[in-house]
Amino acid sequence: QVQLQESGPGLVKPSQILSLTCTVSGGSISSGDYYWTWIRQPPGKGLEWIGYIRYSGSTFHNPSLKSRVTISIDTSKNQFSLTLSSVTAADTAVYYCARGNGYDDFDIWGQGTMVTVSS
Amino acid sequence: QSALTQPASVSGSPGQSITISCTGTSSDVGNYNLVSWYQQHPGKAPKLMIYEVTERPSGVSNRFSGSKSGNTASLTISGLQAEDEAHYYCCSYAGGTTVVFGGGTKLTVL
Repeated sequence: QVQLQESGPGLVKPSQILSLTCTVSGGSISSGDYYWTWIRQPPGKGLEWIGYIRYSGSTFHNPSLKSRVTISIDTSKNQFSLTLSSVTAADTAVYYCARGNGYDDFDIWGQGTMVTVSS
Repeated sequence: QSALTQPASVSGSPGQSITISCTGTSSDVGNYNLVSWYQQHPGKAPKLMIYEVTERPSGVSNRFSGSKSGNTASLTISGLQAEDEAHYYCCSYAGGTTVVFGGGTKLTVL
């Protein structure tokens, strides 16, 4: 069965770039018309949709994050990635990658990775 | 986009039924049948419980059901069990390429 696993640094300094990768196993990231998605959850708070990418490369993100977000896909490695620039303490959160069957229908999730923004 | 509005907490006794509401606007919940619900236990990733307002993924108990009226979607859990105690989040497509979550509801099984 398809599984997702996030990886990346757990600590990022303010104003720097947060970079995370989601590795897809048990299936091809190129098969099916899925929405490969990033979602985050600040400590003790709710979920926030960050954005998604499709295997074709089309990508969309939460307007509230403005131009700080970049989502990319590497079909040869079966991975998709998130970069978030100019981070602040408000970006401290557990970051999840998920597979979407549609815009809002996330049926498979990674375990999540905690990223702390601090000097 | 503003977050969808959910009650902060609900509670019920084992065997009872509870309903969690999720209120949006005519731009999201009211305009699309693309509402989903997620269950999250502490320290765990969310789990999809309902999609497209009323559909249940394979493996999810039929004690969980979803509905929608106007700008408000609802999740009903019947025959409450101790294992249902968790946070629940609604999610809706909001047009264009935007997706919005609710603030979450903590369900306590008394």
